[in-house]
Amino acid sequence: SAVISQKPSRDICQRGTSLTIQCQVDSQVTMMFWYRQQPGQSLTLIATANQGSEATYESGFVIDKFPISRPNLTFSTLTVSNMSPEDSSIYLCSVDWGMSTEAFFGQGTRLTVV
Amino acid sequence: QQQVKQSPQSLIVQKGGISIINCAYENTAFDYFPWYQQFPGKGPALLIAIRPDVSEKKEGRFTISFNKSAKQFSLHIMDSQPGDSATYFCAASRGRGSRLTFGEGTQLTVNP
Repeated sequence: SAVISQKPSRDICQRGTSLTIQCQVDSQVTMMFWYRQQPGQSLTLIATANQGSEATYESGFVIDKFPISRPNLTFSTLTVSNMSPEDSSIYLCSVDWGMSTEAFFGQGTRLTVV
Repeated sequence: QQQVKQSPQSLIVQKGGISIINCAYENTAFDYFPWYQQFPGKGPALLIAIRPDVSEKKEGRFTISFNKSAKQFSLHIMDSQPGDSATYFCAASRGRGSRLTFGEGTQLTVNP
């Protein structure tokens, strides 16, 4: 398994501002995924981040709102831009080593927008 | 369109009882079906997973039953314990380590 560290673990932000969430893994991974979990809801995939290429976004999510960086095989960031209260969610980083391995999750970043 | 439907939304079971959570999927291209357990303030943790070439997989007190023709799968927790109280998510994907589509989640409470 992987040790996945997310920072910050929680934050309270003013509407209109942006927050960058970091995901650090203790080993090199092929694919990194960002999920959103709205209060009391299930997990929804935001985007897939591969090193060296642009992130691939799921329907309903756009790069201007959720820009993602993947500078190397152990690190990624997700930015939540121009936040509104509707962005209040838990944001989760997930990693795996390719098609033959399980997906592991970080502990999540609990974001509250006021 | 929700591709994985999960029920019930919440479940209360007495200690020692059997907890059963059901999921149904639509996309026949899915070939990997994991279950995740999530405690408050934590990320989901993989519990058990199955591929459609088998109808059942058991790991300790946890069993997945899979019905390919009905496109349904279920999680059975035998001898449920208060420590099993958590939210359980079924999921599906094309291959392990791929993009996961999650069910809505089931909040399980096991009373002492």
